[in-house]
Amino acid sequence: EPEVTQTPSHQVTQMGQEVILRCVPISNHLYFYWYRQILGQKVEFLVSFYNNEISEKSEIFDDQFSVERPDGSNFTLKIRSTKLEDSAMYFCASSEGLYFGTSNREQYFGPGTRLTVT
Amino acid sequence: SQQGEEDPQALSIQEGENATMNCSYKTSINNLQWYRQNSGRGLVHLILIRSNEREKHSGRLRVTLDTSKKSSSLLITASRAADTASYFCATVYGNNRLAFGKGNQVVVIP
Repeated sequence: EPEVTQTPSHQVTQMGQEVILRCVPISNHLYFYWYRQILGQKVEFLVSFYNNEISEKSEIFDDQFSVERPDGSNFTLKIRSTKLEDSAMYFCASSEGLYFGTSNREQYFGPGTRLTVT
Repeated sequence: SQQGEEDPQALSIQEGENATMNCSYKTSINNLQWYRQNSGRGLVHLILIRSNEREKHSGRLRVTLDTSKKSSSLLITASRAADTASYFCATVYGNNRLAFGKGNQVVVIP
């Protein structure tokens, strides 16, 4: 069964460093998402991406964050200058479309990348 | 903003028992979804219930939706040790943007 993959599974970085988290969405999916989960807190939406541009972003997704689809398979999240509070689990997700009839399409999540900023 | 909000619960049950967890939300919805997260793993979509549905089944899962009370429940029947996980409800707003609750931890004791 197709699945979303993410690398690395765990990333440790020093404050102020740039990190790139990588995701390979399911191949025939058109919409891509990043979410994050700070330890003990809710999963929060960061950004959605379609047709090589940001579709929607949350207030968390500030200028320190960027997303890119550098080729036909990868989807990346870059944090330019990491802060301690960026430590979290980052989940990539993809969906085939937005809607199925009148209902939203299911999103398929990857296993996550645990980012630790020291 | 729409938010899925589970009743903050940590359930510990014996294998074979049923587990029920609840979720409430604040605004009108198109649909509500339930996800499972095993420890340290990603989120797995379990079931989606549309706003015009009151009940939906999928295997040992039963979801109800009461739009008048803005609440939903997830029932896992005949639980198994493999059901040990955190369970989240999520509502959708914007362009398929999921808003998750804090999750319910379920521990099934063999």
